[in-house]
Amino acid sequence: GAVVSQHPSRVICKSGTSVKIECRSLDFQATTMFWYRQFPKKSLMLMATSNEGSKATYEQGVEKDKFLINHASLTLSTLTVTSAHPEDSSFYICSASPGTSGRYEQYFGPGTRLTVT
Amino acid sequence: AQSVTQPDIHITVSEGASLELRCNYSYGATPYLFWYVQSPGQGLQLLLKYFSGDTLVQGIKGFEAEFKRSQSSFNLRKPSVHWSDAAEYFCAVAVNTGGFKTIFGAGTRLFVKA
Repeated sequence: GAVVSQHPSRVICKSGTSVKIECRSLDFQATTMFWYRQFPKKSLMLMATSNEGSKATYEQGVEKDKFLINHASLTLSTLTVTSAHPEDSSFYICSASPGTSGRYEQYFGPGTRLTVT
Repeated sequence: AQSVTQPDIHITVSEGASLELRCNYSYGATPYLFWYVQSPGQGLQLLLKYFSGDTLVQGIKGFEAEFKRSQSSFNLRKPSVHWSDAAEYFCAVAVNTGGFKTIFGAGTRLFVKA
């Protein structure tokens, strides 16, 4: 149980284009989803937290107009990187939490490798 | 401010030897602590977690961790390392900021030599 998928696993796009990454909880309802960015050989940096049906909360320094997050249902969240540039190339990981009270658990997707050329 | 420190960037151990990965946290309230493992190009897999109760927690793959409040530590241990344990290990603490979020340490890369 508690499986989270991401699609695509890898994507290459040209500078200036937009790319959408999907994150799905396959066997549970995720009241909260998180988006992380991981630079090579670095830790995970939380970008934003999204709750189903409400606007995402972005961490300081993350451009909300560039990284659009939509959490349209209890099983799906999307991250759209708009007008991508080479510096946006990174490994993006989502996680989903069932939100059970008092249990700070989250389940991670396999990640999406974005390369902007 | 909340933080997690993993003082060892990388560690090399021989296969069959014991392992201890260090983790210290800074958080004013009750910590909810986690250890995750990440293989190259993959997402994170939860090894174990501590919420409350017994301070020695058992996880998957033969790992265990001990919570020591007095030292603000949550070190990960394994008595006998296997070559397949080579990976990146992250310690993390969940904090409540009006909703919860997780703060990760910088990670420790484990190398296993034959």
